[in-house]
Amino acid sequence: DAGVTQSPTHLIKTRGQQVTLRCSPKSGHDTVSWYQQALGQGPQFIFQYYEEEERQRGNFPDRFSGHQFPNYSSELNVNALLLGDSALYLCASSRLGGNTGELFFGEGSRLTVL
Amino acid sequence: DQQVKQNSPSLSVQEGRISILNCDYTNSMFDYFLWYKKYPAEGPTFLISISSIKDKNEDGRFTVFLNKSAKHLSLHIVPSQPGDSAVYFCAASALGGSSNTGKLIFGQGTTLQVKP
Repeated sequence: DAGVTQSPTHLIKTRGQQVTLRCSPKSGHDTVSWYQQALGQGPQFIFQYYEEEERQRGNFPDRFSGHQFPNYSSELNVNALLLGDSALYLCASSRLGGNTGELFFGEGSRLTVL
Repeated sequence: DQQVKQNSPSLSVQEGRISILNCDYTNSMFDYFLWYKKYPAEGPTFLISISSIKDKNEDGRFTVFLNKSAKHLSLHIVPSQPGDSAVYFCAASALGGSSNTGKLIFGQGTTLQVKP
C-alpha cells in the first residue's frame, strides 16, 4: 500500500520563476493538504483540497495556488518565487470522516530559491 | 503570532529514562491536539492525539497529558529508546464539532536525543 508520494524531492529555482509540486495521496484518501516548513520551524498550513475544490486556506498570498484532480492527486503552484519561499513543502492526505486530524505526510519537496 | 509553542528546541535523555516534551498553546478554540514524530528525510508521522474532553491518553510507551486551564500539554515517553531520537512536533486543531479539517497548527518542534 503506497503512502503519500511527492515529486520532485529536490529542486532549485531562481527568483521570479514559477514552480509546480505534485502529490499523490495515500490509497483510500480523498483529501489533500499542503504545508510549508521553513528551516527550524514547524509546518505551516497552506491550503486543503477536497472534491477538487479548495476548502480551507492558511495565511499565504495568492501566489500560492493549487489543484486537485479527479483521482485525488494534487498540485501546488507557486508564482513569482521569492527567496523566502525556500522551504520543505509537505503534502498530507486524509480521508474525510476518518480519524480526526490524523494526517499522513509525504517526504516533502525541498525547494531552494536563489 | 505563534499559537502553538514548544519552548525547548532540544532534549537529551538516557536510554530507559523518561522523556517529557512540553507544548503550550494560546488559542482557546483548539479542541484537538496531536503529536507527530519526524526523522530526517522523512515526513512527519502521527504518534498520539488527545481530545479536549480528556486530560490523558495513553498508547504503549507514549502518554499525552492535557491541562486545559494552563493551555499546556506534554508527551511522556517511558522508557525512552534510542530509536525515539527524532524531532517531535506538537499540533492543534479547532474542529468545532466537525471532523478531520486537515488544518493543523504546529509548534516549532523539539529535537529529542536518547543516548544509549
